[in-house]
Amino acid sequence: QVTLQESGPVLVKPTETLTLTCTVSGFSLTVGRMGVTWIRQPPGKALEWLAHIFPNDEKSYSTSLKSRLTISKDTSKSQVVLTITNMDPVDTATYFCARVRGGDFVNWFDPWGQGTLVTVSS
Amino acid sequence: QTVVTQEPSVSVSPGGTVTLTCGLSSGSVSRNYYPTWYQQTPGQTPRTVIYSIDTRSSGVPDRFSGSLVGNKAALTITGAQAEDESDYYCVLYMGSGIWVFGGGTKLTVL
Repeated sequence: QVTLQESGPVLVKPTETLTLTCTVSGFSLTVGRMGVTWIRQPPGKALEWLAHIFPNDEKSYSTSLKSRLTISKDTSKSQVVLTITNMDPVDTATYFCARVRGGDFVNWFDPWGQGTLVTVSS
Repeated sequence: QTVVTQEPSVSVSPGGTVTLTCGLSSGSVSRNYYPTWYQQTPGQTPRTVIYSIDTRSSGVPDRFSGSLVGNKAALTITGAQAEDESDYYCVLYMGSGIWVFGGGTKLTVL
């Protein structure tokens, strides 16, 4: 059974760096075509795709947030880590990680982790 | 910057048919964007409804269907039920590991 579980601080202060961890089970971070992605959702607002890491360690980032995001993985721990620098109250959101299924001509996010709510406040 | 457009809100009567659309601020949605639809009820994790334009995810009722209509992707619910009342998000794949979500459509069944 494939599962993903997000973890990280519940509260961060403005200007701090947020580090989130996605611990996966049931699949390998180095095998397959698509990898793991991060998505967030501010309270009452829409989903926003953030970053992705492929099994071959290639990475991609949201154009609007690229300068603040870093995605990486620790295959020995089956973890994908997302860091966001210079946090602001507008970054308050539930952060999800998800496995990306599919390959060359199809892909979708499944399953998703349950999400972790991060609040940015002084 | 690419903007994916969706209707903010749509309503349908129980048993009725409704179509939600997913477009691009510039250009047309095609198969190459692998349009995918997610359903989300408040407090829940999104659930895949349709991927790759028209493939229903496992366990999704056949009243849900996906298609390309004109220059947009579309999600149609035929015979809407009360439990279909949710937020629906479209996401398009831009290639090279980049996706863009639409702003979501709040579907009301009344």
